[in-house]
Amino acid sequence: AQSVSQHNHHVILSEAASLELGCNYSYGGTVNLFWYVQYPGQHLQLLLKYFSGDPLVKGIKGFEAEFIKSKFSFNLRKPSVQWSDTAEYFCAVNAWAAGNKLTFGGGTRVLVKP
Amino acid sequence: DTEVTQTPKHLVMGMTNKKSLKCEQHMGHRAMYWYKQKAKKPPELMFVYSYEKLSINESVPSRFSPECPNSSLLNLHLHALQPEDSALYLCASSQVGKGDDTEAFFGQGTRLTVV
Repeated sequence: AQSVSQHNHHVILSEAASLELGCNYSYGGTVNLFWYVQYPGQHLQLLLKYFSGDPLVKGIKGFEAEFIKSKFSFNLRKPSVQWSDTAEYFCAVNAWAAGNKLTFGGGTRVLVKP
Repeated sequence: DTEVTQTPKHLVMGMTNKKSLKCEQHMGHRAMYWYKQKAKKPPELMFVYSYEKLSINESVPSRFSPECPNSSLLNLHLHALQPEDSALYLCASSQVGKGDDTEAFFGQGTRLTVV
């Protein structure tokens, strides 16, 4: 069965610091990869996605992620965070052989101090 | 229109009540999902419908009964719930398939409290 793990449960940063959140998945076949963000009191929003092609994908709000197939990883980065990036971030994987079954990692709570 | 609309936003129900959660989308998506999210936890998949047919049931107790009356609507019927079923219930939709248009769009959820 597919599974997704996020290495950090909580991250505290100051504004303008760089952010990197780790994500690893455990499925060996073809996968679609996503990062979702959930701002306090709001619904899940897609930050970015990887399906094929260039392993470095750019998303909204200055976020990017790199797919490293050999490491089964899809880490999220942002060079300079803002206070408004305070949110919970979820990595998610949809393994093709599992059908439309999107599995989430445990989430990382990010707090950006002004 | 890229919205998934869920009603009600909040629901308080007793353990003997019967209630339903509703979800609607008009993006032409043929896959629809129910997820359960407890506080400070990730969403957990409950059910998936593909082309209005139940394709995945993640061993959800029978007190939760999904229904997909047409391609735009998804319901979750609730009966004899327990307090531990209190959670945020999220609906999502996507295209069916494996291409780059299968991202899931989520509704704002129904916050359910069982008393």
